[in-house]
Amino acid sequence: EVQLVQSGAEVKKPGESLKISCKASGYSFSTYWIGWVRQMPGKGLEWLGIIYPGDSDTRYNPSFQGQVTISADKSIRTAYLHWSSLEASDTAMYYCVISLTAVNYFDYWGQGTLVSVSS
Amino acid sequence: EIVLTQSPATLSLSPGERVTLSCRASQSASIFLGWYQQKPGQAPRLLIYDALKRAPGVPARFSGSGSGTDFSLTISSLEPEDFAVYYCQQRNHWPLTFGQGTRLEIK
Repeated sequence: EVQLVQSGAEVKKPGESLKISCKASGYSFSTYWIGWVRQMPGKGLEWLGIIYPGDSDTRYNPSFQGQVTISADKSIRTAYLHWSSLEASDTAMYYCVISLTAVNYFDYWGQGTLVSVSS
Repeated sequence: EIVLTQSPATLSLSPGERVTLSCRASQSASIFLGWYQQKPGQAPRLLIYDALKRAPGVPARFSGSGSGTDFSLTISSLEPEDFAVYYCQQRNHWPLTFGQGTRLEIK
């Protein structure tokens, strides 16, 4: 069974750093792109970027380039989303996603990690 | 980037009715458009990809059509569990983009 299990909710202050995780199981982790999608409170979906764990090739949405860093550790089948300095506008639900059925359509989603940033 | 505009923003319908949701792209997405369903408190679920292909396990009452800049998702007969928010998403050009969503609510 394919599973994406994300780390728990976070409450942070502006300026703090944060790394959230997504542990994958049930498929060949190194050979499928894994990505991140943001959903701000009451809003729609935004694609942040994707990484190929096999060689760490990473593609970012230009709107988020420099704002977040996507990484992966294939030895522990885990992808990460990192912020070096959070802002209140980063408050959102973040989902990790993979495409097994068709390229760049997301057929498996993690349960989401809620990030709240407030002073 | 390709901007996807969904219409209408909200639809109020009754179970058993047929509904068609629209997604218009600012430039051609070819056939590379998908549809997702999101229920409150849940992650989205892929329904349709490549404009008309149903994802595994998706009921046959869901169908997609279109190409280029105009796409549709049709639900032939609404079930109570179909009331949710629906998003379209294109993969023809980087960055991947989503529409703003159509909320389908019970009348």
